[in-house]
Amino acid sequence: IVLTQSPGTLSLSPGESATLSCRASQTLDSRYFAWYQQKPGQAPRLLIYDASSRATGIPDRFSGSGSGTDFSLTINRLEPEDFAVYYCQHSVTFGQGTTVEIK
Amino acid sequence: EVQLVESGGGLVQPGGSLRLSCVASGFTFSSYWMNWVRQAPGKGLEWVASIKQNGSDQYYEESVRGRFTVSRDNAKDSLYLQMNSLRADDTALYYCARNRGYEAFDYWGQGNLVTVSS
Repeated sequence: IVLTQSPGTLSLSPGESATLSCRASQTLDSRYFAWYQQKPGQAPRLLIYDASSRATGIPDRFSGSGSGTDFSLTINRLEPEDFAVYYCQHSVTFGQGTTVEIK
Repeated sequence: EVQLVESGGGLVQPGGSLRLSCVASGFTFSSYWMNWVRQAPGKGLEWVASIKQNGSDQYYEESVRGRFTVSRDNAKDSLYLQMNSLRADDTALYYCARNRGYEAFDYWGQGNLVTVSS
């Protein structure tokens, strides 16, 4: 299975919304689908599991959706601390990451 | 508070060996699958190995199979990664991570740098 994330980089301003895409090379079991956030010098943090369930302590501006081969992560009203790299994951396969940077 | 604290990384020559350790606290270690995930400098995340709660089953990424061995000691709340025949492309930050279920890794260690170079 190959996970392809798009776009590679997203340039946005605080307060805007971000939609990140993850497309799989074959149909996935959404129970095994997750999203992570990673900031420089830090370990990844689990945001979303089971495609749409928020992990403990994750603000509700983060939401996940999708099924089959197409999944997305939406971040509403970007906060300064949301600018980071985001990875999708299915089972033990990770996407290549999307960087959300400040415009 | 859940914590995963890694140790054992460092500089090693190609062909050498290294053993990483990860000590868990704040949860019932023996109840969870555990994993190793690595990240080469400036690159993305790559799963390396997984081990079942009782250690009876282990799974490996293809490029490390036969060279790396994952193990655990539930009495010591500890996870290990024995790395042999190390290559330059094994250079990475190695994280231990807890699997909350369905391969969602909900807690991660701070990362341990392994550098393979002559």
